[in-house]
Amino acid sequence: DTGVSQDPRHKITKRGQNVTFRCDPISEHNRLYWYRQTLGQGPEFLTYFQNEAQLEKSRLLSDRFSAERPKGSFSTLEIQRTEQGDSAMYLCASSLDLRRTTDTQYFGPGTRLTVL
Amino acid sequence: AQSVAQPEDQVNVAEGNPLTVKCTYSVSGNPYLFWYVQYPNRGLQFLLKYITGDNLVKGSYGFEAEFNKSQTSFHLKKPSALVSDSALYFCASRGYAGNMLTFGGGTRLMVKP
Repeated sequence: DTGVSQDPRHKITKRGQNVTFRCDPISEHNRLYWYRQTLGQGPEFLTYFQNEAQLEKSRLLSDRFSAERPKGSFSTLEIQRTEQGDSAMYLCASSLDLRRTTDTQYFGPGTRLTVL
Repeated sequence: AQSVAQPEDQVNVAEGNPLTVKCTYSVSGNPYLFWYVQYPNRGLQFLLKYITGDNLVKGSYGFEAEFNKSQTSFHLKKPSALVSDSALYFCASRGYAGNMLTFGGGTRLMVKP
């Protein structure tokens, strides 16, 4: 399968613990995005990378959240001191920037986080 | 600021009948519009997009969407619904200046045999 992959698919943690999620984009894609989706809502943008550079961050991304894409390939999203409000599906997407206005974002299966 | 609205939380249609899932947008400048589908416990699958040109866009699985600039709409359509089309559908927009997608709240499509 050459699509976007995410690991783990499910994570249950206790409030106050740190969690880290991984995303592997489609291999030639230079752009990588993180979104958060809560139950019954559409996904909300969190952050975006062009190669290894983090170019956009949403106001939703509090200082407890950090994302990296160290070699311009896979990315990690870490949440420190988790809160119950962090419970959501975290979606990763990637795209290939051929012409900026036409690239399509392809999504992974998501990581469902439950904070007890 | 961009926004996307999906006015119907749920659409019910009988198998074999045409379906429409509505989407309206508010975007400054030229809009770039997308439809995605989400099956239970899965990520989003890309269906189609409008960038420029023909107002009728054809996509995957027999879906199409009609861009209407005067009504600021981008409704998703299919001539003959299948039970397997039952899923959650999201409309999204992307502004010219940014790269992030702004999603609507989603519409659940239920196709009954």
